[in-house]
Amino acid sequence: GAVVSQHPSWVICKSGTSVKIECRSLDFQATTMFWYRQFPKQSLMLMATSNEGSKATYEQGVEKDKFLINHASLTLSTLTVTSAHPEDSSFYICSATVAGGNYEQYFGPGTRLTVT
Amino acid sequence: SQQGEEDPQALSIQEGENATMNCSYKTSINNLQWYRQNSGRGLVHLILIRSNEREKHSGRLRVTLDTSKKSSSLLITASRAADTASYFCATDRVSGSRLTFGEGTQLTVNP
Repeated sequence: GAVVSQHPSWVICKSGTSVKIECRSLDFQATTMFWYRQFPKQSLMLMATSNEGSKATYEQGVEKDKFLINHASLTLSTLTVTSAHPEDSSFYICSATVAGGNYEQYFGPGTRLTVT
Repeated sequence: SQQGEEDPQALSIQEGENATMNCSYKTSINNLQWYRQNSGRGLVHLILIRSNEREKHSGRLRVTLDTSKKSSSLLITASRAADTASYFCATDRVSGSRLTFGEGTQLTVNP
């Protein structure tokens, strides 16, 4: 149980285009989802916290107009990178916590974004 | 900057040996968790230790937590080549809230 999926697993896009990444909890309801970014050989940095039905809370330094997060249901959150630039190339990972659970965060497999 | 620091940044050992990784943090915590990440993959949860616990075991893993020193250690006994991965500690201040990750330790177990 407690499986989180991400789609796509990798994507290559041209500079200036937008890319949407989906994060789904497959067998549980997730009241909270988190989006992280990881550059090569670095640790995970939290970008934003997303609660179902409300606006996401962004970390300092993360542009909310560039990284649009929508958490429309208890099983789906999306991250849209708008007007992507090469410096946005990174590994994006989502995680979800189980509503009423033991507070463990379950991580998705990540999405590798390459902007050319 | 990252709250957590991990030591060492890289560790290379022979199969069968034990591997010890350390993690320090700066603020008070509620839980500390250890995760493993294979290259280019997502995170695998290894173990969670609560702030009122001092030691926890799971299979070949042993985690200790010293809240007075704001540090934790992860011991992997009888290491295997398949244990080769990056290991991260992560802390939260409220259960279920945002995690702050350490810098990670790259473990290489040579066959």
